Amino acid sequence: DGGITQSPKYLFRKEGQNVTLSCEQNLNHDAMYWYRQDPGQGLRLIYYSQIVNDFQKGDIAEGYSVSREKKESFPLTVTSAQKNPTAFYLCASSPTLEYWDTEAFFGQGTRLTVV
Amino acid sequence: KQEVTQIPAALSVPEGENLVLNCSFTDSAIYNLQWFRQDPGKGLTSLLLIQSSQREQTSGRLNASLDKSSGRSTLYIAASQPGDSATYLCAVMPTDSWGKLQFGAGTQVVVTP
Repeated sequence: DGGITQSPKYLFRKEGQNVTLSCEQNLNHDAMYWYRQDPGQGLRLIYYSQIVNDFQKGDIAEGYSVSREKKESFPLTVTSAQKNPTAFYLCASSPTLEYWDTEAFFGQGTRLTVV
Repeated sequence: KQEVTQIPAALSVPEGENLVLNCSFTDSAIYNLQWFRQDPGKGLTSLLLIQSSQREQTSGRLNASLDKSSGRSTLYIAASQPGDSATYLCAVMPTDSWGKLQFGAGTQVVVTP
């Protein structure tokens, strides 16, 4: 079954800790993305990567870091510098076909809570 | 900057009625528009993608139209069922920032039996 797997489903972080969210895809997609979702708001882009060993900041990258060492993996680290990390985090991927035909597919999300 | 708006924020209809969901965007320079469904606490499921050159796309009971010049898309769901209850989001891919989908806040739909 092809898809995007995010783990864990729920994550609790203490103040001052760094935590890493996992995202793995077996769709053979070149591009991967991390979004943050807060209640009543649309999704906001944190980071995206179009190819291995390359990634770009999105609209709200401060306090987050990523790596893209393998095509199928795009982990997100929420650092202690992120002042309001409690949110629902969604990972997505898409093929890099013709631009007008690029369809994004999403994982099931990780809910991060600061305790 | 591209802004995407979905009105209303919430909608309740009796089973069997047709659903009409609206999405508007401020900049017509887009590659495509995508409609998603999100169940509570879950990820997004892609429903339809409309390329910028297309006027509509259909999949089963779902039909989405796109009027790029006026910055509007409409998602129609025929003969709604309680299982259609979810939040529906639209997103556009701007031509000046490939890959950076811009999302609306969504319309929460409840279909009552």
